[in-house]
Amino acid sequence: EAGVVQSPRYKIIEKKQPVAFWCNPISGHNTLYWYLQNLGQGPELLIRYENEEAVDDSQLPKDRFSAERLKGVDSTLKIQPAELGDSAVYLCASSSPSVRNTGELFFGEGSRLTVL
Amino acid sequence: SQQGEEDPQALSIQEGENATMNCSYKTSINNLQWYRQNSGRGLVHLILIRSNEREKHSGRLRVTLDTSKKSSSLLITASRAADTASYFCATDGTGYSTLTFGKGTMLLVSP
Repeated sequence: EAGVVQSPRYKIIEKKQPVAFWCNPISGHNTLYWYLQNLGQGPELLIRYENEEAVDDSQLPKDRFSAERLKGVDSTLKIQPAELGDSAVYLCASSSPSVRNTGELFFGEGSRLTVL
Repeated sequence: SQQGEEDPQALSIQEGENATMNCSYKTSINNLQWYRQNSGRGLVHLILIRSNEREKHSGRLRVTLDTSKKSSSLLITASRAADTASYFCATDGTGYSTLTFGKGTMLLVSP
C-alpha cells in the first residue's frame, strides 16, 4: 500500500514569491490534514478536510495561505506571497474512518520550504 | 497552540539503556498517542492509549497514562542506535477532533 505522497520535498524561493505543495493521501482515507512544523517544534495544524470539506481551518493564515481538496482526494496548499517566517516543513497526513477508533495519522515525508 | 509538553527536551543515552520521556497536557483527552520522527522524515505512529487505560505495551515500548495528573510517559527498553529520533506525544479532545502535538523529546542513542 502506498503511503502519503508529498511534493516537492524541498523548495527554495525568494520572499514575496508564491509556492504550492501537493499531497496525495493513502487511498480510501477521507480525512486529510496539513500541518506546519517549525524547526525543533511539534507539528501544528493548519487545516483538516473531511472529504472535500474543510472542517477545521481556524489556524490557517487566510491572508496568504489557501488550500483545496476539490475531489476529496489529493490536496494543494498554497502560500502567496511567501514571507521569511514561512520557512518550515509542511506535513500532510491522512486517516481513515476505519481507523477512527485508533485515531492514527499517517504522515508524508513533508515539504521543506526555505524562503530567502 | 500546542497542548502537550514533553520532558526532557533532549535525552542522550547509551545503547542498551532505557529511555523515559514524559508528556504533560492541559485539557481532558479522549486518547493520547506517541509518534516518532527520524531526522528529515515524517512522523510515524507508535502507540495509542485511551483515557480509560493506565498502561499499554508494544514490543520494547511501554506507555503509561495518569489522567488525574494529565501526564503520560513513554519508556523504550534496551534502546538501540536506531531509536535515535524525536518523539512526540499527541492528544485529542473528547469526541473525534484533531490531534494536537507537543514539542517533542529528541533522543540520541550512542553505540
